[in-house]
Amino acid sequence: GENVEQHPSTLSVQEGDSAVIKCTYSDSASNYFPWYKQELGKGPQLIIDIRSNVGEKKDQRIAVTLNKTAKHFSLHITETQPEDSAVYFCAAIVDQAGTALIFGKGTTLSVSS
Amino acid sequence: GAVVSQHPSWVICKSGTSVKIECRSLDFQATTMFWYRQFPKQSLMLMATSNEGSKATYEQGVEKDKFLINHASLTLSTLTVTSAHPEDSSFYICSAQNRGSGNTIYFGEGSWLTVV
Repeated sequence: GENVEQHPSTLSVQEGDSAVIKCTYSDSASNYFPWYKQELGKGPQLIIDIRSNVGEKKDQRIAVTLNKTAKHFSLHITETQPEDSAVYFCAAIVDQAGTALIFGKGTTLSVSS
Repeated sequence: GAVVSQHPSWVICKSGTSVKIECRSLDFQATTMFWYRQFPKQSLMLMATSNEGSKATYEQGVEKDKFLINHASLTLSTLTVTSAHPEDSSFYICSAQNRGSGNTIYFGEGSWLTVV
């Protein structure tokens, strides 16, 4: 089955800096890679996703890149703000109905002002 | 984005009793819903996959007789923790798959269960 590794486990940045979180996956059949943000005591919120037919996707300050050959994908947050502080999870999946997300272990991002 | 509602958001129950958690997709039909469990500072662990009208598929190590899952309609799945014990205390999160939107998966807000 799929195995997702996520690094780093914790990341501290100054407000305005960029943050990068990296994930690798094992199943070459995986073709959908979402990123979720989880605030304390809440459920995960989908923030951006990418499918294997593209190499990069951007949404305002957030971008995701995908390298299918190397089986890794990354989340990039620019101009970080204190409200970006949360736990971020990457996931990988074969995009078909009924298949559950397999998550990385999460990255705790702390943005200090 | 799509809305998945989970209820209750927190519950305290006595050891030996059962508690039911509901998960509803509010603006789409969810043929498939998933239940996760999360311990503090850990990732989400998949417990089971629930398909409308059929029996849930449980992950290895998850007791199906203890964690009863029912998915009787396209917008509602329930998780019942039976004969709860303190070690069942955890954060339970459901998610629903929107097949009408590229199989995107949305999560509920989670339910904190404390067994005393």
